Parts: sequence; structure tokens; C-alpha cells
Amino acid sequence: GAVVSQHPSWVICKSGTSVKIECRSLDFQATTMFWYRQFPKQSLMLMATSNEGSKATYEQGVEKDKFLINHASLTLSTLTVTSAHPEDSSFYICSAREHRGRLAFFGQGTRLTVV
Amino acid sequence: AQSVTQLDSHVSVSEGTPVLLRCNYSSSYSPSLFWYVQHPNKGLQLLLKYTSAATLVKGINGFEAEFKKSETSFHLTKPSAHMSDAAEYFCVVSIGGSQGNLIFGKGTKLSVKP
Repeated sequence: GAVVSQHPSWVICKSGTSVKIECRSLDFQATTMFWYRQFPKQSLMLMATSNEGSKATYEQGVEKDKFLINHASLTLSTLTVTSAHPEDSSFYICSAREHRGRLAFFGQGTRLTVV
Repeated sequence: AQSVTQLDSHVSVSEGTPVLLRCNYSSSYSPSLFWYVQHPNKGLQLLLKYTSAATLVKGINGFEAEFKKSETSFHLTKPSAHMSDAAEYFCVVSIGGSQGNLIFGKGTKLSVKP
């Protein structure tokens, strides 16, 4: 149980285009989803927290107009990287937590390369 | 304030020898603790978790960790390393409550020599 599916696992896009990453909870309802970014040789950095049906809460320093997060249903959250630049190339990982759950389960991650 | 400290950024062992990856935490709440492994270009995989049950937790692939409240530690061990264990390991604290956010250590890279 508690499977989180993230898609795509890797994507290459041209500079200036937008990329959408999906995070789905397959067998539970995720009232909260977290989006992380991993920089080389560093730990995961929390970008934002999204609660179903409400606006995402972004961490300090994360551009909300660039990283659009939508959590329209209890099983799906999306992260859209708008007008991507090479410096946005990174590993993005989502995690999902059910209502009042103490555990958050991770997707497999998405390797984004902007050329 | 809650924090997680992984004491070693890089650990190198020989195949067949024991593995010890150290993790200390600081939490005002009763924490849940996790160890995740990340192989190159792969997502995170849960190795094991502690959620206030038995203090010695057994995980997948022969790993185990012991929660020691007096030492605020949750070190990860394995009796005998395999080449396939080479990866990045993250110690994670969940502070629970209504927010349930996760706090990550900076990670420990495990290298296994033949």
C-alpha cells in the first residue's frame, strides 16, 4: 500500500518551454503533497506544500510564478516549471501524505534537463 | 527546533564488512524517523521507519537501525556490505502533527570497495 507514482521519470526540454510533472497517490487520498528539489551533492530542499483544494504554500526563495503547483484532487498534484532555463535542471521529487497521517510517501522522482 | 545531522558525508567500506551510517536528531516532539536510500538517477526508497514501537527496527536488504532516545540517535547498520549497497542514504525526521513536514539530513554517500 501507500504507492505514489510520479511521471515522467525523466524529461528533456528546450529553454523557454514549460514542463508539467505529475504526482499521484494510487491507493490512498493525499490531502497534502510536498514538492522537493535536489541539488547536486545536497539534500532535498522543500519547495512547496500543497493541500487539496487550496493554494500551495511556497518556501522562502522559491518563485511561485515559475513553479506552478496545482492540487485539484485528492490523488493528483502537478508541478509545472514555466519558461524553463538550464539552471532549472534538477531532480524533482514529490511526496504525499494522507489526512492526519504521520508518514509521507515518495514518488520515484523526475530528472529534468533543460537544454 | 527540529533538525537532523548525518555525521559523515561519505563512508567507504569493503564488501563483506559492516556498515554504520550515523544520524542524530533534535526534536521537541516524539519523532518518527526514517532512512531512505537513493541510487543514482533513481527516486527515494524507504529502507525502514521508526514510529514509537520497537526501538530496533529492521528494514529491507538487511539494514536495521536502533532508536536511542538518550543519545538522540538513529544510526543505520548492516552486518555485511554488498556492492549494490553503494548509494546515497538520507536520515529523515517527521515532526508529525497537523503539518507533518519532513526534515532531511544532508545525506551520506556509501561507497563499497570490492
